Amino acid sequence: AQTVTQSQPEMSVQEAETVTLSCTYDTSESDYYLFWYKQPPSRQMILVIRQEAYKQQNATENRFSVNFQKAAKSFSLKISDSQLGDAAMYFCAYRRDRDDKIIFGKGTRLHILP
Amino acid sequence: DGGITQSPKYLFRKEGQNVTLSCEQNLNHDAMYWYRQDPGQGLRLIYYSQIVNDFQKGDIAEGYSVSREKKESFPLTVTSAQKNPTAFYLCASSFVPGGKNTEAFFGQGTRLTVV
Repeated sequence: AQTVTQSQPEMSVQEAETVTLSCTYDTSESDYYLFWYKQPPSRQMILVIRQEAYKQQNATENRFSVNFQKAAKSFSLKISDSQLGDAAMYFCAYRRDRDDKIIFGKGTRLHILP
Repeated sequence: DGGITQSPKYLFRKEGQNVTLSCEQNLNHDAMYWYRQDPGQGLRLIYYSQIVNDFQKGDIAEGYSVSREKKESFPLTVTSAQKNPTAFYLCASSFVPGGKNTEAFFGQGTRLTVV
């Protein structure tokens, strides 16, 4: 069965600094998609970034970028120039292509220190 | 505006009663999902559906049931067989992959409290 593991339950970073959140996944599939979602205190889930497994190039969205290592089954999120508004729960997610099942990790709570 | 609507936002039920959570989307998405969120547990998949009149069990389907009679709707029933139903429930939908965006879009959630 597929699993998604986020090994850091909580992290803190100084405002304007860079932080990296870790995610590993276990799958025997070759076609899949990976995502990072942000959940602020409102509990609304917001997509941060997506990565298709068939693409070698790492995805970037403004201050957010990923380090996708397919062989290692690793998908970390780097947040540059951290801002107070980045404080939230961050979830890593895996989507299986053959039947659209989407599973999530347990999340990392990110604190931004002013 | 297009989106996913979950209702109600808060729901209280007595132990032993079945309760149905509503989820409607007008995004023309094919796939729909139900997740349960508990502190420290992340989002756990209950059921998902790729197409009308078909759905699959997720990782924690016991004590829950769903139906998918319309593309836009995917209601979740929490039955009395669910041993610990108090939780935050999230509904999501997405296109199936094939040239379109693959991410799931989420509703605002329903907080169910069973007393």
